[in-house]
Amino acid sequence: ETGVTQSPTHLIKTRGQQVTLRCSSQSGHNTVSWYQQALGQGPQFIFQYYREEENGRGNFPPRFSGLQFPNYSSELNVNALELDDSALYLCASSLVRGREGYEQYFGPGTRLTVT
Amino acid sequence: GEDVEQSLFLSVREGDSSVINCTYTDSSSTYLYWYKQEPGAGLQLLTYIFSNMDMKQDQRLTVLLNKKDKHLSLRIADTQTGDSAIYFCAENEGGGSYIPTFGRGTSLIVHP
Repeated sequence: ETGVTQSPTHLIKTRGQQVTLRCSSQSGHNTVSWYQQALGQGPQFIFQYYREEENGRGNFPPRFSGLQFPNYSSELNVNALELDDSALYLCASSLVRGREGYEQYFGPGTRLTVT
Repeated sequence: GEDVEQSLFLSVREGDSSVINCTYTDSSSTYLYWYKQEPGAGLQLLTYIFSNMDMKQDQRLTVLLNKKDKHLSLRIADTQTGDSAIYFCAENEGGGSYIPTFGRGTSLIVHP
């Protein structure tokens, strides 16, 4: 186990709704990254937060937003859900900003289904 | 844009070596990674290699990098049934940016 936890495990939402996913980083880690993994695909980078500020963003629309809190836990918010948002959402925590990800530890993910 | 390609499936017999291949297009890739994902789980970093290296060995794992051909491989020696999983290759440009690109993953099936 990596010490990174995510909630909820599974979630079903209707198109047009909003969703909030949560991630608790491994103790001592100050950086969190979020990924979307569609079925049969590799993870796609959404964004990264370091010390409560966004520190890099992938090719996702503004309706994907995030927050990182002083205790370094994090939320991913998705507004106006679309069917294509159905995926496994992974968060990963790491200790040092800009260390290229090789110290990232992934959580088990939240499976989001949009109907 | 960047692209990372992997074959989708590999089937081997227990005890044999497995070789999973990956090609990438971004010549400025600085770090290249191999991750393992078991069913219902997140990703586990197996190993990574910096672009100025040709080879890296870590117990049963050997990573080979051919930078000229933009080809990366992961060799698993003495493959076990517990190695059955999906293996992802990923690259990151480095230079302070952090936008990693993952391949679609290779599903490794190990037969007894």
